[in-house]
Amino acid sequence: QVQLVQSGAEVKKPGASVKVSCKASGYTFSGYYMHWVRQAPGQGLEWMGRINPNSGGTNYAQEFQGRVTMTRDTSITTAYMELSRLRSDDTAVYYCARGHCSGSGCHFDFWGQGALVTVSS
Amino acid sequence: QSALTQPASVSGSPGQSITISCTGTSSDVGSYNLVSWYQQHPGKAPKLMIYEVSKRPSGVSDRFSGSKSGNTASLTISGLQTEDEADYYCCSYAGSSTFVIFGGGTKLTVL
Repeated sequence: QVQLVQSGAEVKKPGASVKVSCKASGYTFSGYYMHWVRQAPGQGLEWMGRINPNSGGTNYAQEFQGRVTMTRDTSITTAYMELSRLRSDDTAVYYCARGHCSGSGCHFDFWGQGALVTVSS
Repeated sequence: QSALTQPASVSGSPGQSITISCTGTSSDVGSYNLVSWYQQHPGKAPKLMIYEVSKRPSGVSDRFSGSKSGNTASLTISGLQTEDEADYYCCSYAGSSTFVIFGGGTKLTVL
């Protein structure tokens, strides 16, 4: 069965970086885009970007351009999302989600359990 | 690009039907049949309920259905059950620059 297992909660100071991992199993890792979506406390879902595990190619939401880096290690079927220059409003649960794509668009058919990142001085 | 517009809350009684709207623009919902809907219970990850406007993943109850007219997509839940009480988010492809845009979410209360 498809599973996405994320790394644990993190507490970071403003200005620091955080790297969240997402271990995939139960399917062909290179066959599906991996997306990252975050959710601030009490707020809605916000798409951050995606990575093609096959090529390593990425697309980032404009809001995160220059601060986010998505990578993958195909040997261990794991995707990573690193966010730098953290601010207090980056406090959120960060989800990885498998993208099932049809033509240009994707829907997210499996999600990780989420990783809470708290940014506080 | 602004988030898709959803009502903040809707409510219904067990057995009733409700509809949640999701209004976008001609650059997203109106241009692509790539709207999906997600259910999220408190403290849990979102769950895919509808994709490509009206398709249901395996295992999702047929009480959930989706549709679209112009720039507005809709999720209808018939025969409301207490376990349907959750937050619901719509999502649309928004072109090769923005890619993905979510709605602000709707809290469904089953009275």
